[in-house]
Amino acid sequence: EAQVTQNPRYLITVTGKKLTVTCSQNMNHEYMSWYRQDPGLGLRQIYYSMNVEVTDKGDVPEGYKVSRKEKRNFPLILESPSPNQTSLYFCASRLSSGTANEKLFFGSGTQLSVL
Amino acid sequence: AQKITQTQPGMFVQEKEAVTLDCTYDTSDQSYGLFWYKQPSSGEMIFLIYQGSYDEQNATEGRYSLNFQKARKSANLVISASQLGDSAMYFCAMREVYNAGNMLTFGGGTRLMVKP
Repeated sequence: EAQVTQNPRYLITVTGKKLTVTCSQNMNHEYMSWYRQDPGLGLRQIYYSMNVEVTDKGDVPEGYKVSRKEKRNFPLILESPSPNQTSLYFCASRLSSGTANEKLFFGSGTQLSVL
Repeated sequence: AQKITQTQPGMFVQEKEAVTLDCTYDTSDQSYGLFWYKQPSSGEMIFLIYQGSYDEQNATEGRYSLNFQKARKSANLVISASQLGDSAMYFCAMREVYNAGNMLTFGGGTRLMVKP
């Protein structure tokens, strides 16, 4: 089954404790991205990657890191989480970055709480 | 400036009636795409419908249609014959092909509640 898989589904942590949220897609998509969702703000892009070893900042990159060593994986790293990073996170992918009509496929989300 | 504006934070609709969810956008790009996604209470993001900036006809997908008015920069979602399962958050999004690094930019969402 074609899907974007992100783990964990729920995560509670404390300020300053490094964490990684994993994301993997099995559709051979070139483009992957991370979003955070906050009430009233919709989804805002954190980082995106157009292909292996190519990453770039989205709208809200501060406090986050990503890497794209393999096509299928795009982990999100919080080196020193803070309470303002408490949010619902989505990983998403699409086939390429070429045309306007390619829809994003989303993972099921990771609800992160930083205490 | 907001690129995608959804002015209705919440709406009620009676079951079996039609409802329109508003979306306006702002772009200087000539080539762009507009999307609607549904997010039920379970949290997943479900793609509903797509409209390209060069498409001359309004997009339709089953009970969903997109009322695209390019000159007004609006892309409203119309849901016909509402069902209880339509209760969810709905997000309008835009992708500019040449601007904004190919990002998909989302509006703040509209929460739709269908009354039995």
